[in-house]
Amino acid sequence: EIVMTQSPATLSVSPGERATLSCRASHSVSSNLAWYRQKPGQAPRLLIYDASTRATGIPARFSGSGSGTEFTLTISSLQSEDFAVYYCQQYNDWPLTFGGGTKVEIK
Amino acid sequence: EVQLLESGGGLVQRGGSLRLSCTASGFTFRNYAMSWVRQAPGMGLEWVSTMSGNAATTWYADPVKGRFTISRDNSKNTLYLQMHSLRAEDTAVYYCAKKGGNSYYVWFDPWGQGTLVTVSS
Repeated sequence: EIVMTQSPATLSVSPGERATLSCRASHSVSSNLAWYRQKPGQAPRLLIYDASTRATGIPARFSGSGSGTEFTLTISSLQSEDFAVYYCQQYNDWPLTFGGGTKVEIK
Repeated sequence: EVQLLESGGGLVQRGGSLRLSCTASGFTFRNYAMSWVRQAPGMGLEWVSTMSGNAATTWYADPVKGRFTISRDNSKNTLYLQMHSLRAEDTAVYYCAKKGGNSYYVWFDPWGQGTLVTVSS
């Protein structure tokens, strides 16, 4: 099983600032990685797939990078709706696995 | 617009059974693999199971293998999850999710609103 590790667990950021979230895979997943945002009380929503491709309707302030075992999600200027929990997910191999999440909170 | 609507959750005793349903609309259901993903209270996301569009292939997470069965009825645009021998650790919100994109690989887009399963001891 590929273990996904996200860091930090919690990130305190002021509105308008940049946030950088990390995701590490225990084995290479190539570029087969997705990012999701989950607002409180809601279902997750896809942000990024194939490590760097924005999903339909996702604003340009979200960008993904990386390949192999190291990945980054960057939010260039945090908006109020971005204070949420973010998960990475690898789909290179079964079982599909998620990271433990990074909570982005208001500083 | 793609819509996924889960139902069937509720309170069940340990060792009991429950069947979840997910009704889909807004896309050609038979063309897409579908999955179940769960989230225990206050915890992260855990993939449970995936079924291919033609129902020929299934994948399961180890914690549910042998207890849960995924199935689908493409004539009704509906995905199911039959759960047996339920344990306290199966307590979670269960999300139905459509496979994103058109490649072999499975990411989830979009997700349903979820249905809560509570297993009491």
